Amino acid sequence: KAGVTQTPRYLIKTRGQQVTLSCSPISGHRSVSWYQQTPGQGLQFLFEYFSETQRNKGNFPGRFSGRQFSNSRSEMNVSTLELGDSALYLCASSLGGQETQYFGPGTRLLVL
Amino acid sequence: TQLLEQSPQFLSIQEGENLTVYCNSSSVFSSLQWYRQEPGEGPVLLVTVVTGGEVKKLKRLTFQFGDARKDSSLHITAAQPGDTGLYLCAGEANAGGTSYGKLTFGQGTILTVHP
Repeated sequence: KAGVTQTPRYLIKTRGQQVTLSCSPISGHRSVSWYQQTPGQGLQFLFEYFSETQRNKGNFPGRFSGRQFSNSRSEMNVSTLELGDSALYLCASSLGGQETQYFGPGTRLLVL
Repeated sequence: TQLLEQSPQFLSIQEGENLTVYCNSSSVFSSLQWYRQEPGEGPVLLVTVVTGGEVKKLKRLTFQFGDARKDSSLHITAAQPGDTGLYLCAGEANAGGTSYGKLTFGQGTILTVHP
């Protein structure tokens, strides 16, 4: 079974731009969670999607948004990028959202 | 807000030594997962523990979940240079709407094993 895939792996953007990251879960997994990882804050939960619906959300500003498609693939979008948004963005999939989560390799975002 | 305190933050040891990493909380978790992460990569699952008092072994790694499901430990016997990496504990809250898909992570332990 293929693992969780994320594209792109690396991104460089400038302040004020927006970015869209993509995540394809493990086949059969319907829950996708997104996390931001920084050296200072560690891994922090952004949001979770299941059956195209956001079921849970972390404490991030509205500039961070996401969606999920009918095939369970998910995207997250960050608008009006700030320098502090530079981080490794990780997505994880699970069967239904309350089981073990399996992580993708992440997208490294650098905001200049 | 649920928090997981992971200690120590850094461990630098010689090959062959034993070590223990701790993960503590005042909150109860329905399950706890341990991951290992290499630089620039995503966390890779090592184990999931779900029952209070549970002990799981994975070759030289032993994982324990506290009786009250508030704490966990990872013990590595005879560490090897290949064990070097970032070790993360992550807890899943008790079932409920606010817990869907949300793992609470410890700050991580950076382990370096010198040959």
